[in-house]
Amino acid sequence: SAVISQKPSRDICQRGTSLTIQCQVDSQVTMMFWYRQQPGQSLTLIATANQGSEATYESGFVIDKFPISRPNLTFSTLTVSNMSPEDSSIYLCSAEKSGMGTGELFFGEGSRLTVL
Amino acid sequence: GENVEQHPSTLSVQEGDSAVIKCTYSDSASNYFPWYKQELGKRPQLIIDIRSNVGEKKDQRIAVTLNKTAKHFSLHITETQPEDSAVYFCAARQGGFKTIFGAGTRLFVKA
Repeated sequence: SAVISQKPSRDICQRGTSLTIQCQVDSQVTMMFWYRQQPGQSLTLIATANQGSEATYESGFVIDKFPISRPNLTFSTLTVSNMSPEDSSIYLCSAEKSGMGTGELFFGEGSRLTVL
Repeated sequence: GENVEQHPSTLSVQEGDSAVIKCTYSDSASNYFPWYKQELGKRPQLIIDIRSNVGEKKDQRIAVTLNKTAKHFSLHITETQPEDSAVYFCAARQGGFKTIFGAGTRLFVKA
């Protein structure tokens, strides 16, 4: 398995500000992903965080709004830029462990953002 | 891209009864179909999965079936218990490693 730590676990933010969420995995992983989960809703993939290159964004998500870094095989950050109340959500980091090839995703506990 | 549809959105059963959740997917290239359970305020966790070369898989009270031709897969929980109450998500993993989730089913098991 893989243990994923995310911080902050929650935050209250002002409109127009930006917040960076950090994700640390306890072992090297090939794939890291960022999902958004609005209350009572499903998990929507924001982007795949690629180590050493630009993230791959899903339709509806852009780099200027959600810049992502992945400097190594155990760490990634997601920034939510110029926040508005519509960005209030839970942001989940996930990873697929290297070499296992199972496809199983491990998730962090999530970062609950409230934008006022 | 892949689209995963999940039904029902809410399911209420009596303790001891069975629960069935159904999903369909659109991309024939998808080859891995996991099911995740998410308890309130917790992270999603894998409970069972199935690959496209297998038609059925069982793990104690939980089973999953896959019909590749129809692009359907289902989760079956037998002898439900109150602790099975949670939100269940089906998902499909494409080549390229993206996992796309269904909308979720909120399962209530009444004691």
